[in-house]
Amino acid sequence: KAGVTQTPRYLIKTRGQQVTLSCSPISGHRSVSWYQQTPGQGLQFLFEYFSETQRNKGNFPGRFSGRQFSNSRSEMNVSTLELGDSALYLCASRQGLTDTQYFGPGTRLTVL
Amino acid sequence: GENVEQHPSTLSVQEGDSAVIKCTYSDSASNYFPWYKQELGKRPQLIIDIRSNVGEKKDQRIAVTLNKTAKHFSLHITETQPEDSAVYFCAAGNAGNMLTFGGGTRLMVKP
Repeated sequence: KAGVTQTPRYLIKTRGQQVTLSCSPISGHRSVSWYQQTPGQGLQFLFEYFSETQRNKGNFPGRFSGRQFSNSRSEMNVSTLELGDSALYLCASRQGLTDTQYFGPGTRLTVL
Repeated sequence: GENVEQHPSTLSVQEGDSAVIKCTYSDSASNYFPWYKQELGKRPQLIIDIRSNVGEKKDQRIAVTLNKTAKHFSLHITETQPEDSAVYFCAAGNAGNMLTFGGGTRLMVKP
């Protein structure tokens, strides 16, 4: 099976812009989670979607939003970008809510 | 919510020595504890996991132990090799909630 894929892999934006990141889970996986990884803060949970419903949400401002489609692909959107949003954004998928979670390669977002 | 603390933040060992990384968690409802290894510039990869119905699990040079009473779990790597150098993350969670990750441990294995 193909692994978790994310597009784009690299992105450069300026403050105030908005961005959409995409994640395609492993075939058959219904759960997609999103994480922000920064050198100082480790892996911070953003949200998890399961069968198109948001199940859990981390402690991030409302500028961060997401959605999941019927084919389990997920998108994450960040509006009004700030310099502090520069990070590696990782998505991870799992088949069910008690199964192993597999990570994608990440999208590195740089905000100038 | 769940809180996971991981220690040490950096660990340097000589090749062939053992390495131990420890994590504590706060939510007694957590029942799944995976460990991920992240090499520089790569995605986190699952190396071993344990569920709360067992106390220890081993896979070749890697083992994980779980103490539910004390709410802590540990990763043990024996006979370390330079390719074990990476950042290791522990995590805790259950079916109703997301995985909460520890802050990571940078392991350096000196040849």
